[in-house]
Amino acid sequence: DTEVTQTPKHLVMGMTNKKSLKCEQHMGHRAMYWYKQKAKKPPELMFVYSYEKLSINESVPSRFSPECPNSSLLNLHLHALQPEDSALYLCASSQDNGWAEAFFGQGTRLTVV
Amino acid sequence: DQQVKQNSPSLSVQEGRISILNCDYTNSMFDYFLWYKKYPAEGPTFLISISSIKDKNEDGRFTVFLNKSAKHLSLHIVPSQPGDSAVYFCAASDGHAGGTSYGKLTFGQGTILTVHP
Repeated sequence: DTEVTQTPKHLVMGMTNKKSLKCEQHMGHRAMYWYKQKAKKPPELMFVYSYEKLSINESVPSRFSPECPNSSLLNLHLHALQPEDSALYLCASSQDNGWAEAFFGQGTRLTVV
Repeated sequence: DQQVKQNSPSLSVQEGRISILNCDYTNSMFDYFLWYKKYPAEGPTFLISISSIKDKNEDGRFTVFLNKSAKHLSLHIVPSQPGDSAVYFCAASDGHAGGTSYGKLTFGQGTILTVHP
């Protein structure tokens, strides 16, 4: 099983809403990631979790709040987003070493209205 | 400062011929390189990787070449098939566990490959 599952696939939210993106993997990976991809741009790293601890925060605004409840799950809590936050949000996981490829989920297409 | 560059936004190739996608990088700390394939509205799919101790890695129709002195890598697809049509991203990391950029992949801008039947 090399699958990373993200839910929901699509999400439309207002600027005052609170919502959460979910990510799950069962490959035994201990590193998990959130990336953001805008149209016609490459994915950009937001957060890295290693052994359920936040190890990298790429200066992401606090309206994005990550959470790693256990080694298989990764959430991204969203609150008071702006229209410019509309993007494809990608979750990924990898073995916990620097030489392992990251496996990506299908992404959540987020639209903020 | 774009540390990973794919200078060709698009590439068009005939089915059965070779596709060569190029990538340059500027950060000499990068020591692990990957190629991903991506369809619209989907996540990237891992294709092949290479570490800096090698200069070539092969997997079926896909071969990645690394020239460390030139800070250049390329992906060769032989023979190309229409199903290979997608956006191809080159990515790099410094790969050192515990380093400040551990786990971070830096992506190039992508190259749109179109393989014509």
